[in-house]
Amino acid sequence: GDSVTQMEGPVTLSEEAFLTINCTYTATGYPSLFWYVQYPGEGLQLLLKATKADDKGSNKGFEATYRKETTSFHLEKGSVQVSDSAVYFCALSPLNQAGTALIFGKGTTLSVSS
Amino acid sequence: DTAVSQTPKYLVTQMGNDKSIKCEQNLGHDTMYWYKQDSKKFLKIMFSYNNKELIINETVPNRFSPKSPDKAHLNLHINSLELGDSAVYFCASSQYSGGPTDTQYFGPGTRLTVL
Repeated sequence: GDSVTQMEGPVTLSEEAFLTINCTYTATGYPSLFWYVQYPGEGLQLLLKATKADDKGSNKGFEATYRKETTSFHLEKGSVQVSDSAVYFCALSPLNQAGTALIFGKGTTLSVSS
Repeated sequence: DTAVSQTPKYLVTQMGNDKSIKCEQNLGHDTMYWYKQDSKKFLKIMFSYNNKELIINETVPNRFSPKSPDKAHLNLHINSLELGDSAVYFCASSQYSGGPTDTQYFGPGTRLTVL
């Protein structure tokens, strides 16, 4: 079945460091891909998304490119801040139909220190 | 204005009790979902409804029963609570438009603790 694999955390960085969180997927067809972020004690917020190959999603300095050839959707940010400390989830939506559930990776915890 | 809201935010109860979690969305969406996040933060779909019709019903114990009185509400009732039900439950909604998959918007979560 469809699945998402994320790099294991936690990821610990200093402020202004470069961030990469790897995400690869297995899916039949052409899924949509998402990154969600969960700040401590809060719900999930959509960070960015891409719906077709070569699309680049971006938001708040974060970027991810839908790479069909490598089935990847890696999250990057050039300079992290302490406020970016959170759990990041890569997810896919396998079918373009109503009610399709998201399939999530296991999440990657990012901790940024000043 | 909160787009997707859940009540209560925290729920502590004893084994064997029956409890409900409520979810409301004011986004005008047609589709709503319940997800469960376990202690390792892994998220998994439980149910989804489209226009009050059940679309997804994963292998969830039948002690869990979703109810959708209208498009804006999807409640989750749990009978005979067990220790293993302790988790964070997230409600979400989306608007299917027939194009690329629409974004799901999540509520703040309900942390259920069964003692």
